[in-house]
Amino acid sequence: AQKVTQAQTEISVVEKEDVTLDCVYETRDTTYYLFWYKQPPSGELVFLIRRNSFDEQNEISGRYSWNFQKSTSSFNFTITASQVVDSAVYFCALSDSPHWGGSEKLVFGKGTKLTVNP
Amino acid sequence: DGGITQSPKYLFRKEGQNVTLSCEQNLNHDAMYWYRQDPGQGLRLIYYSQIVNDFQKGDIAEGYSVSREKKESFPLTVTSAQKNPTAFYLCASSIEEGRNTEAFFGQGTRLTVV
Repeated sequence: AQKVTQAQTEISVVEKEDVTLDCVYETRDTTYYLFWYKQPPSGELVFLIRRNSFDEQNEISGRYSWNFQKSTSSFNFTITASQVVDSAVYFCALSDSPHWGGSEKLVFGKGTKLTVNP
Repeated sequence: DGGITQSPKYLFRKEGQNVTLSCEQNLNHDAMYWYRQDPGQGLRLIYYSQIVNDFQKGDIAEGYSVSREKKESFPLTVTSAQKNPTAFYLCASSIEEGRNTEAFFGQGTRLTVV
């Protein structure tokens, strides 16, 4: 069965600190897809990244970076020089499909609440 | 602007009453979804629809019903059979299967049953 574990329930940092959100997954599929979503206080989920199991290259997007390591089944998310606007709940998710479709299973972690204090 | 609109943002109902949550999208997406989110939990799929006049149960469909009479609309009814309806409900939509894409979410409806 697929499972996503986000062990950090809540993290609090001071602005400009770097912070890493952990995500560990379990799957028997050889092809799978990992996602990160941001849920700001307004409630909607904002897509951040999708990574397939064949691409272990780390990705950087501005202050965001992702470290995918199949050897440890982890897909960690780092925010560099955090800002107050980064305060949100962040979800990691796992799917056997690159696209959304109800027939495919999309499994979410329980989320990590990040608070960035000024 | 294109997007997904959920209404109302907050909803209060008495126990035993059915209540319908609205979800409308003008993105021309074929697929739509309803998720439930409880405090400290991830999202759980209630129902999904990949095409008009067709929908499928998700992981926690009991006590809920949906309809998909129009491409733009996917209302969710929380019935009195739902044992613990107080939660945050998120609607999402995506392009039809077969494309490499992600879902877009509405801002959610927080339902409180008293």
